[in-house]
Amino acid sequence: SQQGEEDPQALSIQEGENATMNCSYKTSINNLQWYRQNSGRGLVHLILIRSNEREKHSGRLRVTLDTSKKSSSLLITASRAADTASYFCATDGNQFYFGTGTSLTVIP
Amino acid sequence: GAVVSQHPSWVICKSGTSVKIECRSLDFQATTMFWYRQFPKQSLMLMATSNEGSKATYEQGVEKDKFLINHASLTLSTLTVTSAHPEDSSFYICSGPTSGAGEQFFGPGTRLTVL
Repeated sequence: SQQGEEDPQALSIQEGENATMNCSYKTSINNLQWYRQNSGRGLVHLILIRSNEREKHSGRLRVTLDTSKKSSSLLITASRAADTASYFCATDGNQFYFGTGTSLTVIP
Repeated sequence: GAVVSQHPSWVICKSGTSVKIECRSLDFQATTMFWYRQFPKQSLMLMATSNEGSKATYEQGVEKDKFLINHASLTLSTLTVTSAHPEDSSFYICSGPTSGAGEQFFGPGTRLTVL
């Protein structure tokens, strides 16, 4: 399976702090994407980073990609209570596989 | 981004019945769509790739006769859970890729509860 693995599995922080989540994957990819899922809801696409990119920003989100280590990180700066959700990385390769997810809780 | 809808959003059925879930791409045409299943507090697991005009490609361990997929048009893929059992209770999500960029956009999901 090309499934990614996120860590930590769960993260609890105070509002205003930064949250960092990591994702590792197994095989070569064309791109890696991060998604957010609120409890019991659908997925929201956050950001896509291509295999030839090393870093990408979108608002309070910063994503890095290290293809040599087959890993990516998602940084959410100045977290808000509304950021409480599960975050998944997904790699494409030939198919589209999700990691196990990081459950983020931001305490107001 | 592209919009994908699913219907129904929530369905409760009796054990042994079949349930059809529709996935529509509202503003793009998709020759390929994907079906995922998510159990509580777990990640999404790819079940199958739905191919317009041809047979779906199923992931290992997914019973093709139980999870029937039909992709009759470029904007509609359906997943039918046949003879549903309580262990089929799950959150089913479809997605469709956009061209070029490689992004996928997901439907809001369908929660299936089999009694």
